[in-house]
Amino acid sequence: EAGVAQSPRYKIIEKRQSVAFWCNPISGHATLYWYQQILGQGPKLLIQFQNNGVVDDSQLPKDRFSAERLKGVDSTLKIQPAKLEDSAVYLCASSLDTGSLGANVLTFGAGSRLTVL
Amino acid sequence: GESVGLHLPTLSVQEGDNSIINCAYSNSASDYFIWYKQESGKGPQFIIDIRSNMDKRQGQRVTVLLNKTVKHLSLQIAATQPGDSAVYFCAENIWGGGADGLTFGKGTHLIIQP
Repeated sequence: EAGVAQSPRYKIIEKRQSVAFWCNPISGHATLYWYQQILGQGPKLLIQFQNNGVVDDSQLPKDRFSAERLKGVDSTLKIQPAKLEDSAVYLCASSLDTGSLGANVLTFGAGSRLTVL
Repeated sequence: GESVGLHLPTLSVQEGDNSIINCAYSNSASDYFIWYKQESGKGPQFIIDIRSNMDKRQGQRVTVLLNKTVKHLSLQIAATQPGDSAVYFCAENIWGGGADGLTFGKGTHLIIQP
């Protein structure tokens, strides 16, 4: 089974520039998540999609962050304009629908490391 | 603030010994817990999970213990190997709560001494 694919793996930008990250979840996984992981901390949920609908975006800084999953498969996370504090690893994860044992298990991609200078 | 945290940022153990990583959570409504392992440069990898109707669950070389009375979770790794070196996170959620994104703690860095 192919894992969660993310790109790019690394990105360096200057503050106030924009950046976009792409995620392709595991085939058949209806739920997709974006997490932000700052160095030395645990991942923090930014947004959760169920198919192409948003389930939870309460922690997404909507003034600069946006995400979409138009066809219910791939997703894009965008930051515009970037700030220094956005330097982090952006992790994408996917899971099966909830309701069955193990369905809440999130499978993570390797992440996209962003450095904002 | 975070509803899940860990007692120690770093744990150093001898190769072959057993490791115990602890986690405290504060949300009494949480009823589903997962341990993840994260190696350098990689995303978190699922290790084992447990629901609140259980107090112990075993996997291959790993055991998770849940004490709901004191809201404490632990991960035991038997016969620790060099490949176990990583940061370990506990995460929690409310089963069937709709929005099921996990809440992670800060992590414990497990270091294996030869």
